Amino acid sequence: AQTVTQSQPEMSVQEAETVTLSCTYDTSESDYYLFWYKQPPSRQMILVIRQEAYKQQNATENRFSVNFQKAAKSFSLKISDSQLGDAAMYFCAYKRAGGATNKLIFGTGTLLAVQP
Amino acid sequence: DAGVTQSPTHLIKTRGQQVTLRCSPISGHKSVSWYQQVLGQGPQFIFQYYEKEERGRGNFPDRFSARQFPNYSSELNVNALLLGDSALYLCASISGWGQGGNEQFFGPGTRLTVL
Repeated sequence: AQTVTQSQPEMSVQEAETVTLSCTYDTSESDYYLFWYKQPPSRQMILVIRQEAYKQQNATENRFSVNFQKAAKSFSLKISDSQLGDAAMYFCAYKRAGGATNKLIFGTGTLLAVQP
Repeated sequence: DAGVTQSPTHLIKTRGQQVTLRCSPISGHKSVSWYQQVLGQGPQFIFQYYEKEERGRGNFPDRFSARQFPNYSSELNVNALLLGDSALYLCASISGWGQGGNEQFFGPGTRLTVL
């Protein structure tokens, strides 16, 4: 069974600084998708960034980028120029490719605080 | 277009009762998934429905059931509530039936408290 592990329950960053959130996963499959979702307090979960396992190039979305290390089964999220609005719970998630469902497997999350 | 909507926002029930949660997907999306998010944990997959048929089920007891209607809205039912069922229940809407890495759009959730 696939698992996703986020070993940092909480992180803190100064506004305008850079922070990296860690995620590791376990799977025997070679084709899959990885996601970072953001869940602000009392607000809806939204997709931050997505990585396809068969693409070697790391995904980037504006200030957000990932470091995808397939052999190490590692998928970290880097947030550059942190803003107060980045404060939220961040979840790493895994999804099989080609499966019959869109089941996401989530980690336990990392609560990010942004200090002004 | 409206996003994913869920009702009610909050719900308080007592042990042994039954509850029904509702979800309306984004217009044009035919697939709905349900997740349970216990406080301090990541969401856990409960069900997926596509075109009114169950396409996936997580590791939840038979007390949990769901259905999808012709307009693609969905209901999640939980019978014989236990204290451990207290959680945020999330509905996710997705275009297609799940074979790719399409974005799943989440609703605001229903906060269920079981006393």
